[in-house]
Amino acid sequence: DQQVKQNSPSLSVQEGRISILNCDYTNSMFDYFLWYKKYPAEGPTFLISISSIKDKNEDGRFTVFLNKSAKHLSLHIVPSQPGDSAVYFCAARTNAGNNRKLIWGLGTSLAVNP
Amino acid sequence: NAGVTQTPKFQVLKTGQSMTLQCAQDMNHNSMYWYRQDPGMGLRLIYYSASEGTTDKGEVPNGYNVSRLNKREFSLRLESAAPSQTSVYFCASSESRPSGTQYFGPGTRLLVL
Repeated sequence: DQQVKQNSPSLSVQEGRISILNCDYTNSMFDYFLWYKKYPAEGPTFLISISSIKDKNEDGRFTVFLNKSAKHLSLHIVPSQPGDSAVYFCAARTNAGNNRKLIWGLGTSLAVNP
Repeated sequence: NAGVTQTPKFQVLKTGQSMTLQCAQDMNHNSMYWYRQDPGMGLRLIYYSASEGTTDKGEVPNGYNVSRLNKREFSLRLESAAPSQTSVYFCASSESRPSGTQYFGPGTRLLVL
């Protein structure tokens, strides 16, 4: 049973427009949510995170929104650039004692077209 | 500052052979992790080590063993490789801040014939 779901396997956007990647979760005990970007043949790289006590976090072109009542978060990229083409993973952190494990979504492949 | 390094980058094994994947981090992180990534399956946690001297099973530990050699190094061993273990393996480490951000190595591609 997937606790973190990214329902869109792929997304295609025109350069300069907004990219919106969505993520839903089922466990209300998650305390942090993170987005990672992954290029082919490389490891995932951390992009941005948000605490469950906030509803928005912004870092340059990247903004993450959290809607706790809907158990939904989204990553906005504005403006989108061709270099943003990658697979984006949503992850949620469980904090059982000292064990900070991440539960991962399956990823959304973003293609930004010039 | 190399971050997280993994060796080897690529390996081909025959069924039944054994091998050890090596991982090291130079960020003084307490926690380290081993994941596998398969098409359509996302990242699945194999084992993790919350701190030096401790290891715990993740979602898919069967067929693997780990050793937290010291604070820097965390190795993953396949005692008797099976074709189902063909995958890309990622090692990660995390800092102790509450956000728990994990930093990943470049991965090891393993093919078991």
